[in-house]
Formats: sequence, C-alpha cells, structure tokens
Amino acid sequence: AQSVTQPDIHITVSEGASLELRCNYSYGATPYLFWYVQSPGQGLQLLLKYFSGDTLVQGIKGFEAEFKRSQSSFNLRKPSVHWSDAAEYFCAVAPSLTAGNKLTFGGGTRVLVKP
Amino acid sequence: NAGVMQNPRHLVRRRGQEARLRCSPMKGHSHVYWYRQLPEEGLKFMVYLQKENIIDESGMPKERFSAEFPKEGPSILRIQQVVRGDSAAYFCASSPRDTYEQYFGPGTRLTVT
Repeated sequence: AQSVTQPDIHITVSEGASLELRCNYSYGATPYLFWYVQSPGQGLQLLLKYFSGDTLVQGIKGFEAEFKRSQSSFNLRKPSVHWSDAAEYFCAVAPSLTAGNKLTFGGGTRVLVKP
Repeated sequence: NAGVMQNPRHLVRRRGQEARLRCSPMKGHSHVYWYRQLPEEGLKFMVYLQKENIIDESGMPKERFSAEFPKEGPSILRIQQVVRGDSAAYFCASSPRDTYEQYFGPGTRLTVT
C-alpha cells in the first residue's frame, strides 16, 4: 500500500527566510505527486504536481518541488517566505491520473511565519 | 465560477444523532470525492461517486456511514448514530470527467458531544 510521510509536524520560519518541507513516499512504482496548501478555515489548494520529466517543478505562489527517485522524496521549497505563507501543507500521491484516483495524503506540516 | 461548496461549515451533534453533510461540486463537475481529516492527521479517502453511482467506497467505515450523489442536488455524506470518534473535518472534492485534478471545498467540521 502506498504511504506518505511528512516528518515535520510544525516548522517556524522568519519572514524572508527560505523554507523547505520534506515529503517521503512509499510506492511500488513512480507515483504521481502533489503538494497542497490549506489556509485556516479553507479547503485545499493545489500548489504543484509532478508526473514525469523534469524533476524540478514550479508551482504557484513561488513554490517549487524536486522529485528524487533515489530518496523517494518530493520536497517543497520556497526561497523567501511571506507572512501569507503561514498555512498547513500536505504532500499527496496518486496511483494514476485518471478520474477516480484516490489521493493518499501525508499528515501535513504546519508552517508558522515570524515577522 | 463558484468553487466547491460545503455546508454546513460547522456541525455539532450529540452522540446518537445523525449528521448530514452536503457538497455541491463545481459547475460541470460530475465526480465527487469525500475525505476525512481526523485531528492532527492527514486527509483519508472515504468514497468516490459519480452521478447516481458509488464507484469506490473502500475508505468508508462499514457501518453508520453512507454517501450519495443524486442526479439533481448536492452529494450527501450521512453519518448515523454519531460517536465521539466521528469528530473530524470532512472535505469534499470534485473533478471534471477523466481528469486527475481534484478541487477541494472548505470542509465541514463535525463535533460530537
């Protein structure tokens, strides 16, 4: 069965500093990988996704993520965080791209941004 | 174009009561997914429906939980005889036909007292 691990439950970062959120997955084949952000009281918004090709993918809001097959990782990064980036971030995997694909989520990482 | 709508946003029920959670997918979306987020955990898949059909309910608890997506109207997640362990945030997502991307609603926070 596939699983997703986000080792960091909470991360505090100063505004303007860089941010990296870790995600490791366990899956038999190369899965389809996603990062979502959840602002307080809101639903999840897709930040970026990886299917194949270039292992460095760009997303919205200045985020990027790098797929490393050898480490089964898909870490999310942002060079300079803004106060509005305070939210919870979820890594997810799916076995296929067809409709009906069940997303398997990690436990989430809550990001706090200090002024 | 309105996003995925869920109501109520917050629901309080006493043990033994029924909870009904509603989800209106985005316009043009015919696929609905329900996920549950227990406190301090990630989202867990519950059920995937198309209009008038349950396609995959492998994540649904075997008892007390049911879901429907009628031809007209919102999708409903129904929890009968709620227990404290049902307290969670329930998220609905929708997608158009034949696509991977799921658009999430704001969730319903269910509290069982």
